[in-house]
Amino acid sequence: RKEVEQDPGPFNVPEGATVAFNCTYSNSASQSFFWYRQDCRKEPKLLMSVYSSGNEDGRFTAQLNRASQYISLLIRDSKLSDSATYLCVAYNDMRFGAGTRLTVKP
Amino acid sequence: GAGVSQSPSNKVTEKGKDVELRCDPISGHTALYWYRQSLGQGLEFLIYFQGNSAPDKSGLPSDRFSAERTGGSVSTLTIQRTQQEDSAVYLCASSLPGSMAYFGPGTRLTVT
Repeated sequence: RKEVEQDPGPFNVPEGATVAFNCTYSNSASQSFFWYRQDCRKEPKLLMSVYSSGNEDGRFTAQLNRASQYISLLIRDSKLSDSATYLCVAYNDMRFGAGTRLTVKP
Repeated sequence: GAGVSQSPSNKVTEKGKDVELRCDPISGHTALYWYRQSLGQGLEFLIYFQGNSAPDKSGLPSDRFSAERTGGSVSTLTIQRTQQEDSAVYLCASSLPGSMAYFGPGTRLTVT
């Protein structure tokens, strides 16, 4: 079983939609989690950290559910520029999920 | 400030040759990671360094792959007797302990 699993998508949504991705992790000892964004043929870039209490950054909200061992990323009011692959990672072993591909369409 | 740098940015090599890929982490970052990403695929973990030691090298796909880190800074990933299936983008990342990792731009390796 992979340490971190994600639904690969693709998610195709219209501009302005709200979309959510989940990422499950297998190591219950994992403490720190992050979401990264990767554009086509580019390196991954940090999007946001995931705190136990949940955190929000503009249109993006990240949450952690320790009981069910998953983290989530919610994007509100999707923009065309949000089109990318979103990767989750648990810090303790730095194994990334396979990524969820999002395409936002006009 | 300077980010993670990798060299070369592109490398084309013939099957059977050895290649060395270099990673310069952000200054002061003690943790360093190597990943491999094939076209359209996710990030495949290769090896993790903490300082100069590699507590986790479980991702290296075969004994043709090796990596070292000297002075707690620069790291090199060496692939011996390259095969066509080694063609991929090799990404390096560095971080402070317990903190988020920052990626370099990667080295695109093509084995012909």
